[in-house]
Amino acid sequence: QVQLQESGPGLVKPSETLSLTCTVSGGSISSSYWSWIRQPPGKGLEWIGYIYYSGSAKYNPSLKSRLTISVDTSKNQFSLKLTSVTAADTAVYYCARLPLFNTFDPWGQGTLVTVSS
Amino acid sequence: EIVLTQSPGTLSLSPGERATLSCRASQSVGSNYLAWFQQRPGQAPRLLIYGASSRATGIPDRFSASGSGTDFTLTINRLEPEDFAVYYCQQYGSSPYTFGQGTKLEIK
Repeated sequence: QVQLQESGPGLVKPSETLSLTCTVSGGSISSSYWSWIRQPPGKGLEWIGYIYYSGSAKYNPSLKSRLTISVDTSKNQFSLKLTSVTAADTAVYYCARLPLFNTFDPWGQGTLVTVSS
Repeated sequence: EIVLTQSPGTLSLSPGERATLSCRASQSVGSNYLAWFQQRPGQAPRLLIYGASSRATGIPDRFSASGSGTDFTLTINRLEPEDFAVYYCQQYGSSPYTFGQGTKLEIK
């Protein structure tokens, strides 16, 4: 079955760029859409955006100006870059599969990214 | 953007009882693309229900859901100790996809 694993720095300085990668195993990244979701500590969930293996992406308007999601089919990975981060971007970042006409399933275990100097 | 409002914020029940959780949307959810997730402490959310009423793979039939348009309900019969967690509704009928603020189901 499909499994996802997030990776990237756990600490990012304010105004810098947050970069994360999600590695997909147990299935081809060409089989679905793929998404990022985040959760600030002790708070609710926020959809960040999704990408198709072709590179077509859709972003949450609240983050669109700072966000880039990309895909590397040769590595079965997709990535997130969020620029000009502030403390408000501190969260657990999850990647998830987004099947067509369906919703996030399964999820990665999540990775905590803290924005602090 | 569709705003999802969950109630109650916290629900205190005992094992064996029935839990009823509500999710109300600020506008109709397209194609009833409404999902429910369970999140236990320190874990990623897990999909329980999709399409407003269909159980995801491996979800026990103690979990059921209903609703359409703007009003949706998740029911958990015969609560087990592992069911005490936070539950989120989420709509994927229109972008941006949005989540409710969550209902915490706690042991009474």
